[in-house]
Amino acid sequence: DAKTTQPNSMESNEEEPVHLPCNHSTISGTDYIHWYRQLPSQGPEYVIHGLTSNVNNRMASLAIAEDRKSSTLILHRATLRDAAVYYCILRDTGNTGKLIFGQGTTLQVKP
Amino acid sequence: ETGVTQTPRHLVMGMTNKKSLKCEQHLGHNAMYWYKQSAKKPLELMFVYNFKEQTENNSVPSRFSPECPNSSHLFLHLHTLQPEDSALYLCASSQEQVGTQYFGPGTRLTVL
Repeated sequence: DAKTTQPNSMESNEEEPVHLPCNHSTISGTDYIHWYRQLPSQGPEYVIHGLTSNVNNRMASLAIAEDRKSSTLILHRATLRDAAVYYCILRDTGNTGKLIFGQGTTLQVKP
Repeated sequence: ETGVTQTPRHLVMGMTNKKSLKCEQHLGHNAMYWYKQSAKKPLELMFVYNFKEQTENNSVPSRFSPECPNSSHLFLHLHTLQPEDSALYLCASSQEQVGTQYFGPGTRLTVL
């Protein structure tokens, strides 16, 4: 399974944008880039996913590098409720589509 | 009730006990999953069921026994567990095996 690399932790101020990076240099052509997050004392929740083009939804934006070897999850205005562990996952939906979780990035949001 | 629910939310058991974890999804999904999240470790996939059939067993010890009687319910039967099995056990479901997974809140298990 293709591997991703994320910083262990990041800090942000409330109401400022947050850019969470993810490196995936061994990504294959059929791998989708998925982001999930896990709030304290909860199960993970889906945030966004993409293949090649940048994606936007009500929660976040996903910027994918042209060579697809890295991506960035963008929270446009961080709130205290966005404090969570953010997981960047490569998922080959042409196979079993398993989610392989890494350690993720722990995001702290300061008021 | 909507989404994925898990009961109990907390469970303390001795090594000789037998207990079961229950997961129920109200989303009309066909695939269900069990994950284990130990302290300071990433989530580990344990089992996958698709249309009630087990499609993945990630080398899980036999003291964990899953059961999927229908597409809405998933159980994890526990017997003769070890203290190192203490963890958060998460259930998830998806429309199909490659779809977005929706997670329950988890059962916090402590084995004494």
